[in-house]
Amino acid sequence: GAGVSQSPSNKVTEKGKDVELRCDPISGHTALYWYRQSLGQGLEFLIYFQGNSAPDKSGLPSDRFSAERTGGSVSTLTIQRTQQEDSAVYLCASSLSQGGSEKLFFGSGTQLSVL
Amino acid sequence: SQQGEEDPQALSIQEGENATMNCSYKTSINNLQWYRQNSGRGLVHLILIRSNEREKHSGRLRVTLDTSKKSSSLLITASRAADTASYFCATRSGNTGKLIFGQGTTLQVKP
Repeated sequence: GAGVSQSPSNKVTEKGKDVELRCDPISGHTALYWYRQSLGQGLEFLIYFQGNSAPDKSGLPSDRFSAERTGGSVSTLTIQRTQQEDSAVYLCASSLSQGGSEKLFFGSGTQLSVL
Repeated sequence: SQQGEEDPQALSIQEGENATMNCSYKTSINNLQWYRQNSGRGLVHLILIRSNEREKHSGRLRVTLDTSKKSSSLLITASRAADTASYFCATRSGNTGKLIFGQGTTLQVKP
């Protein structure tokens, strides 16, 4: 695709419900990242996928958070039993390779509101 | 914990003035990148400087890197109202693939 696509753009859910956030990276990009950004804050690293390697899950805040990447392309971030503190913008980004120098291309994010 | 920390947290200047933002980091790095985020969502890559470089230019942007002090600065010259945004530095260290972002500097350029 032309850019990184995230859906939905906005999600309102009730506390305790599960949510799934989707990310379609740029075609051919082997690296995919998820970040979380609370209002007025910086980006908090969540998880990183690179090709067929095991993902780096070191940023996931709790076992309620999980992510998968199917076929090396689309990724889904799942939050189980959502809490109010999960409210934030969830950003996905992709890059050509780990390389070390590759810049990230970001989607527009999913604004998650947990009531 | 976040690797990079930007300073100042917020900056307000008049159009035409220069804006300088600083970033400090904790561990050795391969490169340092600067990104911009307009109000809303996605970030846009601005410039990358490698650990063996000391200065880099791109249009009105000038980035410096001091690996001995583990710090970088982003200078925007002749600022415009359209430069109003948040600016983040990001670092990738060692063999890790993950890119860690700082807390950002919010820049307001008044017309």
